[in-house]
Amino acid sequence: GAGVSQTPSNKVTEKGKYVELRCDPISGHTALYWYRQSLGQGPEFLIYFQGTGAADDSGLPNDRFFAVRPEGSVSTLKIQRTERGDSAVYLCASSRPKGTSGRSSYNEQFFGPGTRLTVL
Amino acid sequence: ELKVEQNPLFLSMQEGKNYTIYCNYSTTSDRLYWYRQDPGKSLESLFVLLSNGAVKQEGRLMASLDTKARLSTLHITAAVHDLSATYFCAVDKSAGGTSYGKLTFGQGTILTVHP
Repeated sequence: GAGVSQTPSNKVTEKGKYVELRCDPISGHTALYWYRQSLGQGPEFLIYFQGTGAADDSGLPNDRFFAVRPEGSVSTLKIQRTERGDSAVYLCASSRPKGTSGRSSYNEQFFGPGTRLTVL
Repeated sequence: ELKVEQNPLFLSMQEGKNYTIYCNYSTTSDRLYWYRQDPGKSLESLFVLLSNGAVKQEGRLMASLDTKARLSTLHITAAVHDLSATYFCAVDKSAGGTSYGKLTFGQGTILTVHP
């Protein structure tokens, strides 16, 4: 079946602009995660949704970052007043509902291809 | 705060040789994942380790978990060029079977296998 998809694959913007990054999780996956990966580093957690609600947004770096998932499927990560330091690859992942049998009940996360954001 | 450290960060190997990548983490967890990332690509799940003493093998890669030592290893046997990639371990800060949802990743190990 289809994996996690993210659009756009690349986004170049100017400092101070607003951007939206979209994530389509695997069908039936109720948990959705956003991570940010800077060059040469491992991904860093940003926010986690269980259904429509943000269960953990402790990784969002500041109030310029916001994410929504209004219908419990597609999610949008929104960044206001972008700064050069926001340049990174933004990764989305999804996992199956809790209680599902098999190893996927233990939060195995499947990652999308990422959006490379460049802030000039 | 959970910290995850991998070593080595860079590994250059000859084809046919064996080597081990180590992943140490700082707080209690019984759930650890290994991922592979090729340049410009996303993360591919390799192994899910769910309990102390867990060992998983796939081809030339074998992963193990020692929750008491807070250590996981990824062992490479008879390396081939196709294994060249960056390998990440990630820890799910869980206790008693409940996942917290958030993965904390190590810095990654860049593996290059030479002929």
